Amino acid sequence: DTAVSQTPKYLVTQMGNDKSIKCEQNLGHDTMYWYKQDSKKFLKIMFSYNNKELIINETVPNRFSPKSPDKAHLNLHINSLELGDSAVYFCASSRITYEQYFGPGTRLTVT
Amino acid sequence: SQQGEEDPQALSIQEGENATMNCSYKTSINNLQWYRQNSGRGLVHLILIRSNEREKHSGRLRVTLDTSKKSSSLLITASRAADTASYFCATDPGGSYIPTFGRGTSLIVHP
Repeated sequence: DTAVSQTPKYLVTQMGNDKSIKCEQNLGHDTMYWYKQDSKKFLKIMFSYNNKELIINETVPNRFSPKSPDKAHLNLHINSLELGDSAVYFCASSRITYEQYFGPGTRLTVT
Repeated sequence: SQQGEEDPQALSIQEGENATMNCSYKTSINNLQWYRQNSGRGLVHLILIRSNEREKHSGRLRVTLDTSKKSSSLLITASRAADTASYFCATDPGGSYIPTFGRGTSLIVHP
């Protein structure tokens, strides 16, 4: 009965590859988010989807693209991976303006 | 710099002592939230305080908000080793519904 789940938990890949991280929430929330947390624990919002429409798009490289097939899922696709993309990526969901529920994170290592 | 910034960056105390951490922000907000992150895990929501509230309690947690000073504090009373974690504040600057996190305070509670 996990509220927000992400797969995979760990992802090790080489520069130039394309990868995806999946996120699912079973809370019935209408907004989902993707965050990037760097090695200094700085948590930066990347994207937010509300009712399948993008409402936030921070200045992230266009190699990153969110895909939401339905209200319960928000996947993150990353093309042409770079060393600097190594980080922990968190998915979260909420009813807008209320507390967010975070997934366990996906640790991405680009070699 | 970020909208919300926590202070201190790191805090080390003995079990039973109180821990106080602060958050400062720059623009007006509708609400401010505090989250906890245990090592290697996702963030967990602790408490939300609205801009028209000055103080809120939840168990051993006490949060204050001073909108005139654009600051908030989180007090953990009678700390336990299990409170060891990073603590983040999150704001919605200008009521934008864009959640913005600080860099967090790393709390270590020694048994």
